Amino acid sequence: IAGITQAPTSQILAAGRRMTLRCTQDMRHNAMYWYRQDLGLGLRLIHYSNTAGTTGKGEVPDGYSVSRANTDDFPLTLASAVPSQTSVYFCASSDSSVVTDTQYFGPGTRLTVL
Amino acid sequence: GQNIDQPTEMTATEGAIVQINCTYQTSGFNGLFWYQQHAGEAPTFLSYNVLDGLEEKGRFSSFLSRSKGYSYLLLKELQMKDSASYLCAVTDSNYQLIWGAGTKLIIKP
Repeated sequence: IAGITQAPTSQILAAGRRMTLRCTQDMRHNAMYWYRQDLGLGLRLIHYSNTAGTTGKGEVPDGYSVSRANTDDFPLTLASAVPSQTSVYFCASSDSSVVTDTQYFGPGTRLTVL
Repeated sequence: GQNIDQPTEMTATEGAIVQINCTYQTSGFNGLFWYQQHAGEAPTFLSYNVLDGLEEKGRFSSFLSRSKGYSYLLLKELQMKDSASYLCAVTDSNYQLIWGAGTKLIIKP
């Protein structure tokens, strides 16, 4: 059982380039989330999806977009990367959209924008 | 504003007990989570409290006082593998999950 997989593991990207971070889960969870984690700050929610076909904005959505075409996949796209988007990105999922449900995290993508 | 406070770093000795505190000021409260995160890895679920009191799970226990906006994670019989960051997160009245910055726990032999 893989749980949640993310790709790539790490990436160095030139500013202005477009980049898609991939996230796939095999737990048939309804809800999925994208977070960024920066040193000294808590996890910050970028976008979320309560169920396939729906998405919503989190705390820091600017510069990012997501789609949820099916239950398993939840890609995050940076349309034109900027250095402030250098961070570790975690994808997570939970059985339902009730926030009291435990969230399960992928291994993360370390992104550096130069 | 919403705020969760945890100590940045703590040091403890192998075999000892350590208590990691978390205080929160949020718009409402619908539960508090503790997660463990080893360096370079993903956070993993440890505990969930929604009612006042102590929840015990093996070597780990979590306490909640809603009236004081306070929780702690108690780790007993510390092992070297417990060296990690411990994240406190609170669900507010809008069911938004608010995360603390985490406490880095260093275990010394």
